[in-house]
Amino acid sequence: DIQLTQSPSFLSASVGDRVTITCRASQGISSFLAWYQQKPGKAPKLLIYAASTLQSGVPSRFSGSGSGTDFTLTISSLQPEDFATYYCQQLNTYPPTFGPGTTVDIK
Amino acid sequence: QVQLQESGPGLVKPSGTLSLTCAVSGVSISNSHWWSWVRQPPGKGLEWIGEIYRSGSTTYNPSLQSRVTMSVDKSKNQLSLSLSYVTAADTAVYYCAREKKIPVPVFDAWGQGTLVTVSS
Repeated sequence: DIQLTQSPSFLSASVGDRVTITCRASQGISSFLAWYQQKPGKAPKLLIYAASTLQSGVPSRFSGSGSGTDFTLTISSLQPEDFATYYCQQLNTYPPTFGPGTTVDIK
Repeated sequence: QVQLQESGPGLVKPSGTLSLTCAVSGVSISNSHWWSWVRQPPGKGLEWIGEIYRSGSTTYNPSLQSRVTMSVDKSKNQLSLSLSYVTAADTAVYYCAREKKIPVPVFDAWGQGTLVTVSS
């Protein structure tokens, strides 16, 4: 299975901060990477797919980049509703796998 | 707008079989897409269980393949998941999700999830 690592595992940030989360794959996955946001007790919500394509309805402060093995999710100006856990997912190779998550907390 | 709703027993005994359904609305299972099941143990990360196409064609996670069965009921527009010989390690929130493969693969719609606890 392709392993995904995320860094940091946890970060504290303030409203208005620029936040960057990285996801690294154990082998190349082209651009077949998605990012999800999950809040406590809720299902994951798709933010970004194909590494950099913003899902319809997702605010433009979210952006994604990368290809191959290294990817980033950036929130340009953190909003109160963005405090959540973020997961990356690779869909290049079966089985699809998820990163361990990055929790963004209020500083 | 597609909506998915999981349902099933919240408590299953060890060595028993976990059975869940996912009711799909807003789109016909017969028309398109793949459908996946994903689970999340309490406080932990996400694990893909497997996927099923409208034809009934399936692909399972090798880690669970020997215990998993998925099916579709087109007449009811719903999916089913069965996981046999469960243990406490199978305690998790179980999600169904729509999976698009064209133009690129993506899980774009998820149910709200249902918690299944394995305990005697």
